[in-house]
Amino acid sequence: EAQVTQNPRYLITVTGKKLTVTCSQNMNHEYMSWYRQDPGLGLRQIYYSMNVEVTDKGDVPEGYKVSRKEKRNFPLILESPSPNQTSLYFCASSPGQGGGGYGYTFGSGTRLTVV
Amino acid sequence: SQQGEEDPQALSIQEGENATMNCSYKTSINNLQWYRQNSGRGLVHLILIRSNEREKHSGRLRVTLDTSKKSSSLLITASRAADTASYFCATDKAFGSYIPTFGRGTSLIVHP
Repeated sequence: EAQVTQNPRYLITVTGKKLTVTCSQNMNHEYMSWYRQDPGLGLRQIYYSMNVEVTDKGDVPEGYKVSRKEKRNFPLILESPSPNQTSLYFCASSPGQGGGGYGYTFGSGTRLTVV
Repeated sequence: SQQGEEDPQALSIQEGENATMNCSYKTSINNLQWYRQNSGRGLVHLILIRSNEREKHSGRLRVTLDTSKKSSSLLITASRAADTASYFCATDKAFGSYIPTFGRGTSLIVHP
């Protein structure tokens, strides 16, 4: 089944403790992206990647890191999480830029709470 | 910054009625997409309309695009309780970043 898999689904952590949220897609998509969703603010893009070893900042990159060493994986790293990073996070992928004409496939989300 | 903005923010209707929600955007686009999100879940792609298209249908969904007004509408006909969800539009800009930007969504409640 074609899908984007995020792990974990739920995560509670303490301020300052490094964490990684994994994202993997099995569709050979070139484009991958991370979003955070907060009430009243909609989805805001954190980072995106157009292909292996090619990443760029989105609208809210502060406090996050990403890497794209393989086409299928695009982990999101929080080196020193803070409470304002408590949010619902989504990974998405697409065949290419502009949605590849097919739209974006989203993961099921990771609800992160930083205390 | 928000490129797409949905209107209304919330919509409550009875089963069987039609639901219309609108999306406005600011810059030229390559295409516009509509997504559905059930509470707390991932977004699901519904339909994509290109900048040179004016109308597109998919089942009970009808999307229109007016590039002169920089706006789009999503019509759900004969709505069902299962259509209860949030609906988002996303635009791929024609220039600069090719990354989709999402609006804040329309929350649709369909009462049985």
